[in-house]
Amino acid sequence: GAGVSQTPSNKVTEKGKYVELRCDPISGHTALYWYRQSLGQGPEFLIYFQGTGAADDSGLPNDRFFAVRPEGSVSTLKIQRTERGDSAMYLCASSLRQDAEAFFGQGTRLTVV
Amino acid sequence: DAKTTQPTSMDCAEGRAANLPCNHSTISGNEYVYWYRQIHSQGPQYIIHGLKNNETNEMASLIITEDRKSSTLILPHATLRDTAVYYCIVRGFSSGGSNYKLTFGKGTLLTVNP
Repeated sequence: GAGVSQTPSNKVTEKGKYVELRCDPISGHTALYWYRQSLGQGPEFLIYFQGTGAADDSGLPNDRFFAVRPEGSVSTLKIQRTERGDSAMYLCASSLRQDAEAFFGQGTRLTVV
Repeated sequence: DAKTTQPTSMDCAEGRAANLPCNHSTISGNEYVYWYRQIHSQGPQYIIHGLKNNETNEMASLIITEDRKSSTLILPHATLRDTAVYYCIVRGFSSGGSNYKLTFGKGTLLTVNP
């Protein structure tokens, strides 16, 4: 597929558990973004990678959230000790360069019960 | 990034042009206007962007006023599948700046009626 791929599409987890959400960007895209979207709201920025490094993680809500992109391609968003308030759609986007248009995946719907 | 103001919702008849307005009165010279849309339960979809000139692509046209304080996204022949939330976003790129990210508001829910 040519688009941004996110897995899983849905994840249900129990409060307190650890989860990992995966994003496969479009091949060759150097910039990668994670967003979170609650019901009825627009997506909120979490973190931005340029290559392997996190250039801006100012949107991560607290230290339970962490993201990596070790080889500059696939990225994983990790959430420790999940809380019910973490339930949301997690969206990933990539762009060819920092100043190019960003293309989004279909998201991972996370539900913490 | 400059803030944008959009109507909460709009209706349009199928086959007619949908004109979605956006105000961005505090936009600065190096900031672009971007439009995305989000169909229910899907990720946002890029539509179009522009700086000062009007732009057109296979999806839509973007008309930016001369003073750049507002813009209109035009879907020339709306179909039922165009029902979605449309987001107008101002995005700036300055050397060494950190304003590459897209800041979404609540957007306009466009409902295309048969």
